[in-house]
Amino acid sequence: AQKVTQAQTEISVVEKEDVTLDCVYETRDTTYYLFWYKQPPSGELVFLIRRNSFDEQNEISGRYSWNFQKSTSSFNFTITASQVVDSAVYFCALSEDLNNNAGNMLTFGGGTRLMVKP
Amino acid sequence: NAGVTQTPKFQVLKTGQSMTLQCAQDMNHEYMSWYRQDPGMGLRLIHYSVGAGITDQGEVPNGYNVSRSTTEDFPLRLLSAAPSQTSVYFCASSYGYSSTDTQYFGPGTRLTVL
Repeated sequence: AQKVTQAQTEISVVEKEDVTLDCVYETRDTTYYLFWYKQPPSGELVFLIRRNSFDEQNEISGRYSWNFQKSTSSFNFTITASQVVDSAVYFCALSEDLNNNAGNMLTFGGGTRLMVKP
Repeated sequence: NAGVTQTPKFQVLKTGQSMTLQCAQDMNHEYMSWYRQDPGMGLRLIHYSVGAGITDQGEVPNGYNVSRSTTEDFPLRLLSAAPSQTSVYFCASSYGYSSTDTQYFGPGTRLTVL
């Protein structure tokens, strides 16, 4: 069965520090998709990125970067030069192709609460 | 586009009461789903729909009913609320229902059952 583990429940950093959020996943499928969502204090879930299992290229978007490594089943998220506005809960999620007949089900990790102090 | 909207934002129920959480999307998305969020557990799928008239159970369906009479709306019904249903409920939608489709979430409904 699929599983997503975010071992870091809470991280606290000082503004301008770099921070990496870890995500480890388990799946039997060879085709799958990985996602990161951000949940700011206001409570909504904001989509950040989607990655498919055939594309191991790292991705950079501004201060955000993602490192996908199939060999270690990890999809880590790094924030460079963190800012107070980055304070949020971040969720990693997995969608398997095996679930195609059962809908677009996302399996979420437990989330990492990031606190960026000024 | 308003995206995915949910009402109400907050609700307090007594054990045994019933209520309906509303969800609507204006993006003509085929797929809609309901998740609940509990501390330390991420989000778990309750029910989903791959189109009007079609619904199915997710990971934690007990105590909840859904229907999908239109593409736009996907209400979640609690027939007899229990304290274990205290949670934050999120509705989501995506254009299609394959694993490639990104789901977009509503703002959530915080439900407390006393």
